[in-house]
Amino acid sequence: KAGVTQTPRYLIKTRGQQVTLSCSPISGHRSVSWYQQTPGQGLQFLFEYFSETQRNKGNFPGRFSGRQFSNSRSEMNVSTLELGDSALYLCASSSGTSGWETQYFGPGTRLLVL
Amino acid sequence: AQTVTQSQPEMSVQEAETVTLSCTYDTSESDYYLFWYKQPPSRQMILVIRQEAYKQQNATENRFSVNFQKAAKSFSLKISDSQLGDAAMYFCAYDNNNDMRFGAGTRLTVKP
Repeated sequence: KAGVTQTPRYLIKTRGQQVTLSCSPISGHRSVSWYQQTPGQGLQFLFEYFSETQRNKGNFPGRFSGRQFSNSRSEMNVSTLELGDSALYLCASSSGTSGWETQYFGPGTRLLVL
Repeated sequence: AQTVTQSQPEMSVQEAETVTLSCTYDTSESDYYLFWYKQPPSRQMILVIRQEAYKQQNATENRFSVNFQKAAKSFSLKISDSQLGDAAMYFCAYDNNNDMRFGAGTRLTVKP
């Protein structure tokens, strides 16, 4: 099976712009979770989608949003970018059936906001 | 490519006892960070402990400690005096600022 893929791998934006990141889960997986990794804050949970519905949400402002398509692919959008949004954004997929199953992480999208 | 291996998909421990979760990794880098994250079903990622590779001293956070063997590329997590709230998925992670890798996770069950 192919692993979790994320596009693009690297991105440079300027303050005030918006950005959309994409995540394709492992075939058959219905849950996609998004995380933000920064040196200072560590790994923080953004949200989880399961069967096109947001099932869990972390403590991020409304500028961070996401969606999931019928094929389980997920997108994350950040509007009005701030310098502090510079981070590695990871997505992870799983079957999503119990909340205890293994998650498989993608390589991440590294976003730099100037 | 760097890989992180957690060889124990599931572990079980009796309340108040000690359990050790294993993690090995592969890298050609000399400077990097290693992490253990705890994840309950809510998907929140909770940083348990962090180790800088250049530090020989093993990191400790209350009941959580690591056994970091750089030459062996091993980074195990020891949980002492296990509590019911310790039940979760535990992920080992590697980060060298350019690349981040996670293990497959270990599901820890705590029996009362």
